[in-house]
Amino acid sequence: SQQGEEDPQALSIQEGENATMNCSYKTSINNLQWYRQNSGRGLVHLILIRSNEREKHSGRLRVTLDTSKKSSSLLITASRAADTASYFCAPEGTGFQKLVFGTGTRLLVSP
Amino acid sequence: KAGVTQTPRYLIKTRGQQVTLSCSPISGHRSVSWYQQTPGQGLQFLFEYFSETQRNKGNFPGRFSGRQFSNSRSEMNVSTLELGDSALYLCASSLNGQGDNSPLHFGNGTRLTVT
Repeated sequence: SQQGEEDPQALSIQEGENATMNCSYKTSINNLQWYRQNSGRGLVHLILIRSNEREKHSGRLRVTLDTSKKSSSLLITASRAADTASYFCAPEGTGFQKLVFGTGTRLLVSP
Repeated sequence: KAGVTQTPRYLIKTRGQQVTLSCSPISGHRSVSWYQQTPGQGLQFLFEYFSETQRNKGNFPGRFSGRQFSNSRSEMNVSTLELGDSALYLCASSLNGQGDNSPLHFGNGTRLTVT
């Protein structure tokens, strides 16, 4: 199993702006998952993108995956104050490997 | 469908005591994973159970143990509590377990404080 590394560690934007956060990993993956965590709560699954996919959309979320660069990005368009949270990526290898989370990107969206 | 339920929500214990945390997964999910989250170490994987068998284990001392019952409900136990065990303990369930394209569904955690 491997850990994704999110970048930046923290991001502060105004409502209505777009937020982009990046994830890098080291070895080949089966899929890559993005999760959100509001303060003191459990993580919420956002998107799972498989290794043979390049882009995936879900509402205001857009995830890209570049397996040649071993990186992924999460774009949140037209951010809202409610998007304030920590965002984690989790690369998942093949076989029954455990899912390891990085330290996340802390996003602050100000009204 | 009801989500993942963790009980209790908050717990205060004294050093040296032991504690048991409970997790009820989403109906139909056979895998339950446990994570410890602290400000200093972030999210750390404890173990995963699938069909009552421990399938993966993280790097935690033997004081941390778990089990899964036939109805997929899981418990984790920490014995001889230390101050450093103070953390948010998160449980997550998934349909077929980690490594099988099954996203994790997390509960809201048990906040354990050791004094």
